[in-house]
Amino acid sequence: KAGVTQTPRYLIKTRGQQVTLSCSPISGHRSVSWYQQTPGQGLQFLFEYFSETQRNKGNFPGRFSGRQFSNSRSEMNVSTLELGDSALYLCASSQKRTNPVTDTQYFGPGTRLTVL
Amino acid sequence: GDSVTQMEGPVTLSEEACLTINCTYTATGYPSLFWYVQYPGEGLQLLLKATKADDKGSNKGFEATYRKETTSFHLEKGSVQVSDSAVYFCALANSGYALNFGKGTSLLVTP
Repeated sequence: KAGVTQTPRYLIKTRGQQVTLSCSPISGHRSVSWYQQTPGQGLQFLFEYFSETQRNKGNFPGRFSGRQFSNSRSEMNVSTLELGDSALYLCASSQKRTNPVTDTQYFGPGTRLTVL
Repeated sequence: GDSVTQMEGPVTLSEEACLTINCTYTATGYPSLFWYVQYPGEGLQLLLKATKADDKGSNKGFEATYRKETTSFHLEKGSVQVSDSAVYFCALANSGYALNFGKGTSLLVTP
């Protein structure tokens, strides 16, 4: 079974631009979560989608948004990019949503975003 | 709120040495605990997990026991290899799908 895939793997943008990142979950997985990883803040939860609906949201500004499609693929968008948005953005998928506490999240390789 | 604290790195060990990476947590209720590993340039891979007190997770020679009385989930391996060099993250799940991660511990194993 193929793992979680993320595209693109690397991205360079300038301040003020917007960016869209894509995530394809493991086949059959219906929950997709996004995380931001930076050297200073570590790994931080952005949001989670299930059945095309955002179910949980972390403490990030409204510039960060996402969506999920009927095939469970997900995109996240960052508008008006700032230098501090430079990070590795990780997507994770889970098979079911019966028990979020015990379900395992499987991570993709991430998209490295650099904002100049 | 919930939090995870793990020992700062980097940790440098010789091949075949014993490894312990400490992880303690603060949480209400009954969280699940995870160890993830990140190799250079890659995403996170699940190493092991435990979903209730006294559970022991194990994988690839690594072990960790969920100790509710000491709120700990220390990662151990009896004999490390060069290929174990990576960053290790302790994480907690207590509600929703928001994993709460520690800062990560970098491990370097030398031949």
